[in-house]
Amino acid sequence: KNQVEQSPQSLIILEGKNCTLQCNYTVSPFSNLRWYKQDTGRGPVSLTIMTFSENTKSNGRYTATLDADTKQSSLHITASQLSDSASYICVVSVRGGSYIPTFGRGTSLIVHP
Amino acid sequence: EPEVTQTPSHQVTQMGQEVILRCVPISNHLYFYWYRQILGQKVEFLVSFYNNEISEKSEIFDDQFSVERPDGSNFTLKIRSTKLEDSAMYFCASSEEDRMVGYTFGSGTRLTVV
Repeated sequence: KNQVEQSPQSLIILEGKNCTLQCNYTVSPFSNLRWYKQDTGRGPVSLTIMTFSENTKSNGRYTATLDADTKQSSLHITASQLSDSASYICVVSVRGGSYIPTFGRGTSLIVHP
Repeated sequence: EPEVTQTPSHQVTQMGQEVILRCVPISNHLYFYWYRQILGQKVEFLVSFYNNEISEKSEIFDDQFSVERPDGSNFTLKIRSTKLEDSAMYFCASSEEDRMVGYTFGSGTRLTVV
């Protein structure tokens, strides 16, 4: 069964600090992996999307990594800001066949001043 | 930046009533989707729509649900007879290509069934 597991479930950090969120997946055959940011009561907003051949992708202070061999991804946030407080969701899609993507439960990040 | 627009932002309905959730996808997008998120749970896929027909649907998308693109701009989700467990945030999304490349979500409609 295709699964996406994220850790930690929640994280509290101080403003200005860095943090790394983890995503492990069992989805196969792999097509792409996306990280989304979801503010409370809002729709998810895409941060990065990576295909099988990509190891790293950055979007401002967000850097995602992908290890397709170990089926792991991480999202690193540099110099956190209060506005980074949100849920970060990892989503994995398969290649061919069913379109239906597999969502992780998300990591809830709270940035304190 | 182009947006996916959803209306209403919040809808309260009585159990058993029909509701229609509306979405205006990004104008040059070809693929349309509905997702839902029950409070505190993860986002769940409901249905994808392309070329005026459903291309894929999940187990959640049973006979109580239907989708329609009544004109060139709107994309709707209808729930025929709402149940308490239909209470959730419903997100519309659209993309130029399949597999979520260039994929944009709307801000959602919070549906509360009482």
